[in-house]
Amino acid sequence: QKEVEQNSGPLSVPEGAIASLNCTYSDRGSQSFFWYRQYSGKSPELIMFIYSNGDKEDGRFTAQLNKASQYVSLLIRDSQPSDSATYLCAVNDRGDMRFGAGTRLTVKP
Amino acid sequence: EAGVVQSPRYKIIEKKQPVAFWCNPISGHNTLYWYLQNLGQGPELLIRYENEEAVDDSQLPKDRFSAERLKGVDSTLKIQPAELGDSAVYLCASSPRDRYNEQFFGPGTRLTVL
Repeated sequence: QKEVEQNSGPLSVPEGAIASLNCTYSDRGSQSFFWYRQYSGKSPELIMFIYSNGDKEDGRFTAQLNKASQYVSLLIRDSQPSDSATYLCAVNDRGDMRFGAGTRLTVKP
Repeated sequence: EAGVVQSPRYKIIEKKQPVAFWCNPISGHNTLYWYLQNLGQGPELLIRYENEEAVDDSQLPKDRFSAERLKGVDSTLKIQPAELGDSAVYLCASSPRDRYNEQFFGPGTRLTVL
C-alpha cells in the first residue's frame, strides 16, 4: 500500500465549478498535510497546508482534514482555466515530505 | 529574494556516463533536499541535508549515486554510471531552519539517459 494515495484523474470541471481533489494516507501518526500545484514542466508550488482536523480556507482554496478517516481533500471554488495543473498531496513525517502521484485537473472554459 | 537555483536545466547523456547536478538553495535556508520525480509520479526524497550533514539518505542508491554539501550551502548530486532507468527530473528544494514544512522547489534538472 502506498503511503499517500490520490486518484490520478484526469478530473475535468467547467469554469466556475467546484473542483474536489482527494487524498488518503496510511500512517495514522502523520501530523502535517500539504497540497502542491504543479504545472506541466514546472516544479511543485505549495498552495495549502493543514495540521488540524476540520477545514482551512485560503481564498478560493479550502483544505479539509479528517485524521480518523486518514483523509485530506482540497476544494477549489470558482475554478479557472489557470487552475489546470496536477495537484500533489503530501504528508510530512519528521521532516521528510511523502508525496502522492498527483491528480491532473483540467478546467474547461 | 532569489529562489532555488539548479543547473543544468536539461541533460542528455548515454548510459554508463557520469552526470552531476548542482543546486544553490535560498539564502539562509539550512535544510536542503534532493528529490527524484518520474513522469506521472510525485517527487521521491533521495537525501536531506541539515547544513553540511546528510541526516536522511536512506533512499539514495549508494552504489551509483552520491551527494555532497561541503560548506552547508551549495550541493551537488552525482550519478556514476548512469542507467536508462535514471531518466527523470531531479528536483532540489530548501527550507528554513526548523521550518521543514516550508519547502521551496527549484526548477529541476531533466535527465535523459540514452
